[in-house]
Amino acid sequence: GAVVSQHPSWVICKSGTSVKIECRSLDFQATTMFWYRQFPKQSLMLMATSNEGSKATYEQGVEKDKFLINHASLTLSTLTVTSAHPEDSSFYICSARYLGDQPQHFGDGTRLSIL
Amino acid sequence: ILNVEQSPQSLHVQEGDSTNFTCSFPSSNFYALHWYRWETAKSPEALFVMTLNGDEKKKGRISATLNTKEGYSYLYIKGSQPEDSATYLCAFFTGTASKLTFGTGTRLQVTL
Repeated sequence: GAVVSQHPSWVICKSGTSVKIECRSLDFQATTMFWYRQFPKQSLMLMATSNEGSKATYEQGVEKDKFLINHASLTLSTLTVTSAHPEDSSFYICSARYLGDQPQHFGDGTRLSIL
Repeated sequence: ILNVEQSPQSLHVQEGDSTNFTCSFPSSNFYALHWYRWETAKSPEALFVMTLNGDEKKKGRISATLNTKEGYSYLYIKGSQPEDSATYLCAFFTGTASKLTFGTGTRLQVTL
């Protein structure tokens, strides 16, 4: 149980393109979903927390207009990297949680490369 | 900014060796400490969620201990196997912020 599906797993696109990443909880309802970014040899850095039906809470330093997060249902959250540039190239991974004191369940991540 | 540190950064052991790594975290505002195992090309998998000082949890050959007063947790692997090769992440959970702060992980490689 507790499977989280993340798509796509790998994206290469041109600078200026917008890229949408989906995160789905397949067998449970996720009250909260999280989006992380990982730079090489660094830890998972939380970008934003999204609760179903409400606006995402962004971490300090994360541009809301650059990284649009939508959590329209209890099983789906999306991250859109708008007008992506090479510096947005990174590994992005989502996680979902049912209750606050439970472990998070992660997707497989998305490797984004902007040319 | 919360500081969660893990050591060592990487570890290379032989099959059958027992090993352990450390996670250090702030001792104030503690709510929970999570351990995850992250194998290459897979998603991170939850191992333990620890909440009580002195807590010890076990899952097969893997166990973990928690000291919230001094701010550290140990993860032990007994009789390492090649399938234990992965990056082991710890994460500090603050109830007030309701989010995880991850360490950089310990990369374990077990060879025959």
